[in-house]
Amino acid sequence: KNEVEQSPQNLTAQEGEFITINCSYSVGISALHWLQQHPGGGIVSLFMLSSGKKKHGRLIATINIQEKHSSLHITASHPRDSAVYICAVIAGNTPLVFGKGTRLSVIA
Amino acid sequence: KAGVTQTPRYLIKTRGQQVTLSCSPISGHRSVSWYQQTPGQGLQFLFEYFSETQRNKGNFPGRFSGRQFSNSRSEMNVSTLELGDSALYLCASSGQGAVNTEAFFGQGTRLTVV
Repeated sequence: KNEVEQSPQNLTAQEGEFITINCSYSVGISALHWLQQHPGGGIVSLFMLSSGKKKHGRLIATINIQEKHSSLHITASHPRDSAVYICAVIAGNTPLVFGKGTRLSVIA
Repeated sequence: KAGVTQTPRYLIKTRGQQVTLSCSPISGHRSVSWYQQTPGQGLQFLFEYFSETQRNKGNFPGRFSGRQFSNSRSEMNVSTLELGDSALYLCASSGQGAVNTEAFFGQGTRLTVV
């Protein structure tokens, strides 16, 4: 069974700061998702990656398959980035396994 | 393109009752997965349907069931509700539901059992 660990659990940053959220998993995977959940509850898929690096606006996601580790970076953070960020992995045809999430608060 | 639509958004039920939640996937998507989110357990997989067939099932009691219709819309049902069933129920759709396929989530249905 895949275990997914995220760190930190909670993060408070000043507007403009560079933010890094980490995700480690225990078993080889086919793909990894980074998800964003706002207080209303809905979830938005930010990235799905199986190797290397992806960039979308101020968000960058990287994955190291050998080390079983992924990071989500937010450059020039803004209060609207405040949300819970969730890492989820998929291995073979098994369902998504989720981390507990990282609660980010960006203060103006 | 319309997103994933879940109805209702909020629901209050009494212990022992049953409830049915609905999920309409993105047009053309054939896979619908259901998840339960609670503060203590986080997000947990309930089941996945693909072309009207249950393809995967999580570790939940038989009180939790689901189905998918020919238009890919899915429903999940929880019978004999317990207080611990209070949670946010999310569904996600994807085109194939196979490996390396992006999933699109709905806004969720928040169920409160009193």
